[in-house]
Amino acid sequence: NAGVTQTPKFRVLKTGQSMTLLCAQDMNHEYMYWYRQDPGMGLRLIHYSVGEGTTAKGEVPDGYNVSRLKKQNFLLGLESAAPSQTSVYFCASSTWTASNTGELFFGEGSRLTVL
Amino acid sequence: AQSVAQPEDQVNVAEGNPLTVKCTYSVSGNPYLFWYVQYPNRGLQFLLKYITGDNLVKGSYGFEAEFNKSQTSFHLKKPSALVSDSALYFCAVRDLTGANNLFFGTGTRLTVIP
Repeated sequence: NAGVTQTPKFRVLKTGQSMTLLCAQDMNHEYMYWYRQDPGMGLRLIHYSVGEGTTAKGEVPDGYNVSRLKKQNFLLGLESAAPSQTSVYFCASSTWTASNTGELFFGEGSRLTVL
Repeated sequence: AQSVAQPEDQVNVAEGNPLTVKCTYSVSGNPYLFWYVQYPNRGLQFLLKYITGDNLVKGSYGFEAEFNKSQTSFHLKKPSALVSDSALYFCAVRDLTGANNLFFGTGTRLTVIP
């Protein structure tokens, strides 16, 4: 029962460096999301995908890019990291069926620090 | 636009006492409402949801929530708090556009005092 798996769990970057966060889900969900969590601000949507090969911007997309080449994977990239991107990043997935009406399933989170 | 508000950053309750974590919502149309819990250094876990039907929704770990349309509220409740209930709680409302996203509140930290 892996569910949603995120890698890496921790990363420290210097300003200007690039990196990619990987999210993998084994539930065959159509929808996948990347959120960031900051103290006192709850979770904010960065980008999302409604299916393989599709992506769209969320609430706070600037400075991030995403790709969904395979249905089970959703990658979040930072091309040039900034200290403002220090955060905890969560991946989630969901589907819509008669018995599963929209709850999101979350990964354990990836803590990113940009120095 | 859909949104939820959690008016309390912190709620403290004694073990064994009833607990309430408040949430109010703003939506156009019928709301799909959710509660999630986050334990330290973990992802969010689904507790319960309101889609339609009975205004009292029962969920995991003995939690329940009451949907009140006239007060636009969806408060989370538990009759008897446990120390292990101490965590960060998020209320959320479903995005009614094609994203199928959830809009989250800012969270309420619940501390149950032994």
